[in-house]
Amino acid sequence: QKEVEQNSGPLSVPEGAIASLNCTYSDRGSQSFFWYRQYSGKSPELIMSIYSNGDKEDGRFTAQLNKASQYVSLLIRDSQPSDSATYLCAASSGDTGRRALTFGSGTRLQVQP
Amino acid sequence: DTAVSQTPKYLVTQMGNDKSIKCEQNLGHDTMYWYKQDSKKFLKIMFSYNNKELIINETVPNRFSPKSPDKAHLNLHINSLELGDSAVYFCASSPPWGRSNTGELFFGEGSRLTVL
Repeated sequence: QKEVEQNSGPLSVPEGAIASLNCTYSDRGSQSFFWYRQYSGKSPELIMSIYSNGDKEDGRFTAQLNKASQYVSLLIRDSQPSDSATYLCAASSGDTGRRALTFGSGTRLQVQP
Repeated sequence: DTAVSQTPKYLVTQMGNDKSIKCEQNLGHDTMYWYKQDSKKFLKIMFSYNNKELIINETVPNRFSPKSPDKAHLNLHINSLELGDSAVYFCASSPPWGRSNTGELFFGEGSRLTVL
């Protein structure tokens, strides 16, 4: 069973701080990794994607991937109350032609004003 | 224009009834999915179709039957609804999984099913 594990939280950080979200995955064949943000009652929306080892930055968001450790993280700098949401980590799984994304259960982030 | 649209957004029904959820995407994607999200926010794949062909069929009761009349539409029919079927059902689509192994999913707004 391919799995993606996340701490469910809540992770509480003060406004302006750095929020660090972590995720591990079990399928060594996974090659694509994603962070989705989901507000309550809404659908998941893509925040970041990462495919190679190292860091990828986009505005206040940085995704980090370490395939040897099977570890993905998301850093949110200068956290804002509007960042309060559930963050879902996802990894690609399955053989060629049968790929899909496997999701973690999400980490709830609370940014305190 | 909504890229991936689902109807209805809310469904409240009694145990034992049959219901359908429809999904349409205008992104030109070949692959469509149904995911189920339970009360703990766990998003789990149920089915995927590629160009009308069933590709993934996870361990889902056979009361659930997907149908894809064309590559832009993927519907979900559920027979004999049970209390445990209460969840949010998300339709999604993705561009082709190429060498770069993209796989980004574009989600619909979700259909919240409540079985009483």
